Amino acid sequence: EAGVAQSPRYKIIEKRQSVAFWCNPISGHATLYWYQQILGQGPKLLIQFQNNGVVDDSQLPKDRFSAERLKGVDSTLKIQPAKLEDSAVYLCASSFADLRGSAGELFFGEGSRLTVL
Amino acid sequence: KQEVTQIPAALSVPEGENLVLNCSFTDSAIYNLQWFRQDPGKGLTSLLLIQSSQREQTSGRLNASLDKSSGRSTLYIAASQPGDSATYLCAVMLRFGAGTRLTVKP
Repeated sequence: EAGVAQSPRYKIIEKRQSVAFWCNPISGHATLYWYQQILGQGPKLLIQFQNNGVVDDSQLPKDRFSAERLKGVDSTLKIQPAKLEDSAVYLCASSFADLRGSAGELFFGEGSRLTVL
Repeated sequence: KQEVTQIPAALSVPEGENLVLNCSFTDSAIYNLQWFRQDPGKGLTSLLLIQSSQREQTSGRLNASLDKSSGRSTLYIAASQPGDSATYLCAVMLRFGAGTRLTVKP
């Protein structure tokens, strides 16, 4: 079974530029998450989708970050304009159901490492 | 708001030693708790998922316990090996601790 796919693996941009990350979840997983992991810290949830609807985006900096999951499958996370403090690994995860269900186990992709210069 | 804390932040042990990693959380109203391993430059690999109705889960040399009333979980690793060296993270209600960086010395 294919895992969570993410691209690109690495991206280097100048501050104030824009960047987009793509995620394709495990087939059949209705719930998709984007996390930000700054070096030395645990992942921080940015946004949670259930199918193509947003469940929680309370920690998403909406002035510069946006995310969509138009067809309820793959998702894109965009940052515009980027700041130095956005340098981090952006992790995508998926689960079969939301965490209230017994199938709430999270599966992660390899992540996209962003460096903002 | 759920807060997750992991102690210690780093741990170094000789090969073959049994060890315990700790995870504490502030809100006991949880559905499940999940332990992960993260190797440098990699994503997170799921190790064990404990449902709120369970007390423990085992996989090979790993055993995770859950005590909801006290807001604690432990990950027990038996007979540690150098290949166990990684950062171990726990997640509670989609919130992560900062992890414990484990080094197992040959």
